[in-house]
Amino acid sequence: GAGVSQSPRYKVAKRGQDVALRCDPISGHVSLFWYQQALGQGPEFLTYFQNEAQLDKSGLPSDRFFAERPEGSVSTLKIQRTQQEDSAVYLCASSLAGGAGTDTQYFGPGTRLTVL
Amino acid sequence: AQSVTQLDSQVPVFEEAPVELRCNYSSSVSVYLFWYVQYPNQGLQLLLKYLSGSTLVESINGFEAEFNKSQTSFHLRKPSVHISDTAEYFCAVTFGDPGNQFYFGTGTSLTVIP
Repeated sequence: GAGVSQSPRYKVAKRGQDVALRCDPISGHVSLFWYQQALGQGPEFLTYFQNEAQLDKSGLPSDRFFAERPEGSVSTLKIQRTQQEDSAVYLCASSLAGGAGTDTQYFGPGTRLTVL
Repeated sequence: AQSVTQLDSQVPVFEEAPVELRCNYSSSVSVYLFWYVQYPNQGLQLLLKYLSGSTLVESINGFEAEFNKSQTSFHLRKPSVHISDTAEYFCAVTFGDPGNQFYFGTGTSLTVIP
């Protein structure tokens, strides 16, 4: 596709449920990033992949959060045993080259997760 | 500590008036600076970026930003705003070279009043 796509766009989960959020980056983009954006806040970095390698996961808030990109393309962010504080918009971005330093990141529309 | 600060959460401005959205950062290492814009019901889009060279960078829709190293700022300006500029604006910084993480400010909501 022409841009980064994410699915689902909206997800409602009961506290304690597991959720999986999908990101389809722009074809050929090496880098993929996940961000969490709470209401009224800027996006906060969660994790970064270069191809299939997860090079930085320092932003994942707990061991309930897990991300993968097994074939270096599509990525899935999984949240286990969801809590109310996980409610946020989860953004995915991709860039052509490696690293965030100088390269433009292209963002998807986000998945809005609401945990009841 | 490394941080990004956008001092103004909301900026209302009349159409055709000038506007400045402020961004300051704190860092002891090299930085790359970005402004992203989020129009209503759309994803974040790059507006402009400073990597090196001229400290004044411009976007295609009339915005400009100037990197001021001594004041650790990267303020965004436009001499005359349009209704279509109504959006959320985020300043973002990567620290060090290479940096793997974008640090975003909390955003400034620009509302252009007709």
